[in-house]
Amino acid sequence: KNQVEQSPQSLIILEGKNCTLQCNYTVSPFSNLRWYKQDTGRGPVSLTIMTFSENTKSNGRYTATLDADTKQSSLHITASQLSDSASYICVVSRGSQGNLIFGKGTKLSVKP
Amino acid sequence: DSGVTQTPKHLITATGQRVTLRCSPRSGDLSVYWYQQSLDQGLQFLIQYYNGEERAKGNILERFSAQQFPDLHSELNLSSLELGDSALYFCASSSHGGQGRETQYFGPGTRLLVL
Repeated sequence: KNQVEQSPQSLIILEGKNCTLQCNYTVSPFSNLRWYKQDTGRGPVSLTIMTFSENTKSNGRYTATLDADTKQSSLHITASQLSDSASYICVVSRGSQGNLIFGKGTKLSVKP
Repeated sequence: DSGVTQTPKHLITATGQRVTLRCSPRSGDLSVYWYQQSLDQGLQFLIQYYNGEERAKGNILERFSAQQFPDLHSELNLSSLELGDSALYFCASSSHGGQGRETQYFGPGTRLLVL
């Protein structure tokens, strides 16, 4: 079954600290993996897109990694800010024109 | 602001009714995607249109249908509504037809409440 599992479900950290969010997938065939940031009540915003051959991609303080062998990805947030409070969604694209399969997200709260 | 617009922002209706959600993609984008986001399911891909034609289909119910018009705006029609259809409905757009490496830009969503 094509699934995307994210952990933890929720996370609370202090401003300025780093954190890492996890994504495991069983999607096949794999096309690419995306991380989105979704503020409450708003549409998701793309952070990174990685294909099979890419194992790391950065976007400012966000760094995504991909291990296609173990089918795992992580999103590392450095020096967190209050504005990082949001849900982070891992999405895997299946096949060349395939469906996007979404994880349920990790809800991150950054406290002062 | 992603450049994708959706109307209405909020919609309250009764079970059994039919509603239409509207989406205008970013200028120049040819693909439109529809998603449903409910509390317990996360985001689910419904359907994609590219330049007026259906390109990919996800978990879209038979009671739901969509179309993309010549001016590239899209409408999602939801009929025989049930309580479980209450959700946020997002539209996204991208420049081309392949879901490949393209970034999708999401609209602000339409919040549907079925009573």
